[in-house]
Amino acid sequence: QVQLQQSGPGLVEPSQTLSLTCAISGDSVSSNTAAWNWIRQSPSRGLEWLGRTYYRSRWEFDYAASMKGRISIYPDTSKNQFSLQLRPVIPEDTGIYYCARDPPDDQGYDKWGQGTLVTVSS
Amino acid sequence: DVVMTQFPLSLPVTLGQPASISCRSSQSLVHRDGNTYLNWFQQRPGQSPRRLIYKVSNRDSGVPDRFSGSGSGTDFTLKISRVEAEDVGVYYCMQGAHWPAYTFGQGTKLEIK
Repeated sequence: QVQLQQSGPGLVEPSQTLSLTCAISGDSVSSNTAAWNWIRQSPSRGLEWLGRTYYRSRWEFDYAASMKGRISIYPDTSKNQFSLQLRPVIPEDTGIYYCARDPPDDQGYDKWGQGTLVTVSS
Repeated sequence: DVVMTQFPLSLPVTLGQPASISCRSSQSLVHRDGNTYLNWFQQRPGQSPRRLIYKVSNRDSGVPDRFSGSGSGTDFTLKISRVEAEDVGVYYCMQGAHWPAYTFGQGTKLEIK
């Protein structure tokens, strides 16, 4: 049974760095068939894909155009997890952040983390 | 990015009655591999989204058979044959045909009359 467990702070000051981690059980971050994603939900933008990482002979990364320059996703094979960093944050980055698995062959998010409400405020 | 448009945005339904949600994409969701990648999600209050349907009409494990998906190309429908109290929440369609930015509809809020 695949499970994703998120961790990270719920409050970040403007201009600082948002860091969240998603620990995977029941699958591998190095899977040759799955992709590992970060998605955000806010009242103004709805559900919004932020970026992903996946391994296909080498590590690959894709980021939403709206996030480019501020976002990084890091896989950690030793801990079987992946992380999101967003910097510098602005108040509009406030929202619920989810990690999610895109499984092989069906191109949709079948497993989700529990979500982390992140507030950007001083 | 592909724009996903759902309607209605609000859906009051009587218990035991059917419900239907429509979703339209700005581009065809037929992938070059021949599959059509349209997903449906349910988000209950305070919970993460849960996928119900993938590739238009395939139910995920554990999803009741009162949920069904249909459609093709750019027009899709989620149907609930008989609404139960546990079905209250927001329903989203999502396209997975156009990498890497899968996109979601605005959501349809289902409530009990």
